[in-house]
Amino acid sequence: ETGVTQSPTHLIKTRGQQVTLRCSSQSGHNTVSWYQQALGQGPQFIFQYYREEENGRGNFPPRFSGLQFPNYSSELNVNALELDDSALYLCASSSLGPGTDTQYFGPGTRLTVL
Amino acid sequence: TQLLEQSPQFLSIQEGENLTVYCNSSSVFSSLQWYRQEPGEGPVLLVTVVTGGEVKKLKRLTFQFGDARKDSSLHITAAQPGDTGLYLCAGEDSNYQLIWGAGTKLIIKP
Repeated sequence: ETGVTQSPTHLIKTRGQQVTLRCSSQSGHNTVSWYQQALGQGPQFIFQYYREEENGRGNFPPRFSGLQFPNYSSELNVNALELDDSALYLCASSSLGPGTDTQYFGPGTRLTVL
Repeated sequence: TQLLEQSPQFLSIQEGENLTVYCNSSSVFSSLQWYRQEPGEGPVLLVTVVTGGEVKKLKRLTFQFGDARKDSSLHITAAQPGDTGLYLCAGEDSNYQLIWGAGTKLIIKP
């Protein structure tokens, strides 16, 4: 059984650019949640996808968008990058639907916006 | 807005000492989870507490959920250098989303 993987591990972008982060969920999991973790802070919920549909969103602007594919992998897209978007982006997968199972986290993608 | 406050934010103690980390909120959570995160990695779930007053033990770690399900504590007995890490609490709200504390950075010195 493979765990949650994320790519890339590190990324450097400049203000105004766009970025796509990828997450492969753990085998058998159909739910993916994305979190932003600023340095020295706990994770902040961005949104969750359940069976390819968005199922809940945190307090993030529309320039944060996502997708979930039929194989339950997921993408997080951020447009018009701002300096404050610099953070560790975590995805977590779970099975059996929202709220019913443990979330397993990937190692994260470290995004730096210059 | 639901908030989880963790204290202390930072703790550095000697190997063999005991410690307690607190997670407090004014909101009620259906469950509360404790995670440990190491640099460059995602959080790893340690325990989930669901029932008010529940106590769970994981070797030298003891987790307690408050009677009103608004607060929780993590107690470590005889801390070891391997316990070093960032400890995060997260409460599950009515929409099944996790609300996270800012974490307690724990350093155990040999």
